[in-house]
Amino acid sequence: GAVVSQHPSRVICKSGTSVKIECRSLDFQATTMFWYRQFPKQSLMLMATSNEGSKATYEQGVEKDKFLINHASLTLSTLTVTSAHPEDSSFYICSARVMATGNTIYFGEGSWLTVV
Amino acid sequence: QKEVEQNSGPLSVPEGAIASLNCTYSDRVSQSFFWYRQYSGKSPELIMSIYSNGDKEDGRFTAQLNKASQYVSLLIRDSQPSDSATYLCAVNPQMDSSYKLIFGSGTRLLVRP
Repeated sequence: GAVVSQHPSRVICKSGTSVKIECRSLDFQATTMFWYRQFPKQSLMLMATSNEGSKATYEQGVEKDKFLINHASLTLSTLTVTSAHPEDSSFYICSARVMATGNTIYFGEGSWLTVV
Repeated sequence: QKEVEQNSGPLSVPEGAIASLNCTYSDRVSQSFFWYRQYSGKSPELIMSIYSNGDKEDGRFTAQLNKASQYVSLLIRDSQPSDSATYLCAVNPQMDSSYKLIFGSGTRLLVRP
């Protein structure tokens, strides 16, 4: 399948600081990427749809000013958690749509964020 | 009503048995359906996609779709302990051009040696 790479895989930050997570499509161009959040023992919750060259579309209840998404190129989308708080600690996963394989969605490895 | 519903399990089967995982969805016009496997602490990996009514087989996995009943299932034949994981059903709701996926809460499968 297509390769989607996320970085960092684990990050610890202090409360009140910001942290950036990168999502890269390694062997294809991704016009659309998606950001999910998953708390322990819960399902994936879609946060936003990231479209190359345009503003992200956020799901209801997700603060766009807190979770900044940038999709400046066809191979890179970034999620910045601003003014992080302990309740933002979670598993953040990006995914990308591969048009060449019938719009199949492939996931990155995920990023564990711990806010202390 | 949740958009995609799954029994949380755990579903426990002996090694070599058939595991049957079920999923129902609420959006009648959904067109694309996916099964992902997620090991603890890891991100989901795609197992199967299915778009048409009927069965689709890939190795030990068979996906079944019944749009009239709004039901999709995954059968795992000759279950192995390494199949123990959470299985997520995902649906592309409506004719969403972004192809975002809505996930069920997942069914935890435990294959006993």
